[in-house]
Amino acid sequence: KNEVEQSPQNLTAQEGEFITINCSYSVGISALHWLQQHPGGGIVSLFMLSSGKKKHGRLIATINIQEKHSSLHITASHPRDSAVYICAVRRLDSNYQLIWGAGTKLIIKP
Amino acid sequence: EAGVAQSPRYKIIEKRQSVAFWCNPISGHATLYWYQQILGQGPKLLIQFQNNGVVDDSQLPKDRFSAERLKGVDSTLKIQPAKLEDSAVYLCASSFDRAFSGANVLTFGAGSRLTVL
Repeated sequence: KNEVEQSPQNLTAQEGEFITINCSYSVGISALHWLQQHPGGGIVSLFMLSSGKKKHGRLIATINIQEKHSSLHITASHPRDSAVYICAVRRLDSNYQLIWGAGTKLIIKP
Repeated sequence: EAGVAQSPRYKIIEKRQSVAFWCNPISGHATLYWYQQILGQGPKLLIQFQNNGVVDDSQLPKDRFSAERLKGVDSTLKIQPAKLEDSAVYLCASSFDRAFSGANVLTFGAGSRLTVL
């Protein structure tokens, strides 16, 4: 079993829909990152969370440390949000090693 | 704040040749990562440095890949000799080494795209 699991693997939605991507992990962590990669593009770090909730524009990230679960939400989705969204956790007991989820490929149709 | 700088952006070489990539992390970032991303796949960690020491190089093909970060700042990744399957984007990232920082502390460079013919 992977230490970081993301769901869904693929998600196709219509423009304007509310999007939720989930990330569950099984190890102790010091922080969790949500990252975005557009096709053929570089990786951009969206959020780093250690507790609670963060918001940036139409993006909201939440984390529940007790349940070892995080969600990334996109409100009023737009075709330009189409990208791969990756959850990565910073492992607490291993020199801050990053463990990556497999990513969620999001396609927003106009 | 300047980002993570990488060069070259693109490199085309023939198999069995050598290539070197350079990365200059954000000032003050103690942790530096090199990732290999093959087209259509997620990034694979090659090596992680903490200052000038190696933390994790378990997935680095040491018969052909080498990396150094001599002064704990910039880093080079070398491939010698290159194989066809080394064609990929090589990403450098840097971060603070403190766990609970309030800042967004993981930053990626634009990557170096290698094509091996």
